[in-house]
Amino acid sequence: GAGVSQSPSNKVTEKGKDVELRCDPISGHTALYWYRQRLGQGLEFLIYFQGNSAPDKSGLPSDRFSAERTGESVSTLTIQRTQQEDSAVYLCASSPPGLAVTDTQYFGPGTRLTVL
Amino acid sequence: SQQGEEDPQALSIQEGENATMNCSYKTSINNLQWYRQNSGRGLVHLILIRSNEREKHSGRLRVTLDTSKKSSSLLITASRAADTASYFCATARGTTDMRFGAGTRLTVKP
Repeated sequence: GAGVSQSPSNKVTEKGKDVELRCDPISGHTALYWYRQRLGQGLEFLIYFQGNSAPDKSGLPSDRFSAERTGESVSTLTIQRTQQEDSAVYLCASSPPGLAVTDTQYFGPGTRLTVL
Repeated sequence: SQQGEEDPQALSIQEGENATMNCSYKTSINNLQWYRQNSGRGLVHLILIRSNEREKHSGRLRVTLDTSKKSSSLLITASRAADTASYFCATARGTTDMRFGAGTRLTVKP
């Protein structure tokens, strides 16, 4: 079946502009996660959704970052007034119901964001 | 913040050799997982080992977990050029907390 998809795959924007990144999880997956990965580094947890509620937003780096999810489907990560340090690959993952959220996560291909 | 730390940061071997990567962590965990990433894109889940397990196998992969030392190792036997990738450990605590390390970059030369 279809995996996690993300769009766009690449985004180049100018400093100060807003961007929206989209994640389509695997159908039926209730948990959804956003991570940020800077070049050559590991993954930074940003936010986790269970259904359309976000019990853990602790990783959002600033109030310029926000995310929402519609039901148990699409999620959008919005970065306002982008800065150069926001340049990174943004990864989305989902996991099925019935598993603990700390069991296997299924990752999308990521969105590579470049802020000029 | 990151929980796991992989060692080495980079590893280069010849095809056919074994590759061993290590992961150390600081706090107690429920499980530890290894993921693979090609070309800086999406991660693929390789194997999960629970805190009450000591060793697990999957094909050419062998994972060990030593909770007393707070460390894990991933062994890839008979490596292939296609194994070239970055490998990350992820430590899971509680029911919602999963943290990734910075990864080991493995290069397998044909």
